[in-house]
Amino acid sequence: AQKITQTQPGMFVQEKEAVTLDCTYDTSDQSYGLFWYKQPSSGEMIFLIYQGSYDEQNATEGRYSLNFQKARKSANLVISASQLGDSAMYFCAMRGRNTGTASKLTFGTGTRLQVTL
Amino acid sequence: DSGVTQTPKHLITATGQRVTLRCSPRSGDLSVYWYQQSLDQGLQFLIQYYNGEERAKGNILERFSAQQFPDLHSELNLSSLELGDSALYFCASSATGSNGYTFGSGTRLTVV
Repeated sequence: AQKITQTQPGMFVQEKEAVTLDCTYDTSDQSYGLFWYKQPSSGEMIFLIYQGSYDEQNATEGRYSLNFQKARKSANLVISASQLGDSAMYFCAMRGRNTGTASKLTFGTGTRLQVTL
Repeated sequence: DSGVTQTPKHLITATGQRVTLRCSPRSGDLSVYWYQQSLDQGLQFLIQYYNGEERAKGNILERFSAQQFPDLHSELNLSSLELGDSALYFCASSATGSNGYTFGSGTRLTVV
């Protein structure tokens, strides 16, 4: 079974500062994918970034980067230069690639990020 | 606009009733996934369809059923509704071989 753990229910960060949202995972799959999604108060799920388990480089997408440490089974999201619009719920998720696990995303419980002036 | 369309956006209904949630996937995506987001259970995978056929099943109650039609749109049917079924229901779609899912804006179901 796959499990995603997000230990930070809530985080505060000042505008223009960087923030790291923690995510650890557990899986017996050799090949898997890790995702981060943003859910603003309006409710939609917005894809931010993806990291494959065999990708050698950490993924980056604009101000988002994923700090992937395979041995530690962690996939932390780093947001640089925080903006007020970054205030939202952030979910870490995983998908396995083996038969039977490739279809679903397993989500963590989320971290609510609040950006302050 | 993500390209995945879910209707209706909001739904209020009474216990014991039946409702149908509709999802149109992003153009070209053959896979459709349904998820339920509730306060007590978080985001739960319900079911996946691929090109009209059921591909995987998650924590979907027997009172719930889904299907994907030849035009690839999907419907999630919820029957004998209970207060605990109140949740945000998401549909997502993906393309074959893709690593990503695109989510719709969700249907917020309130059972009273």
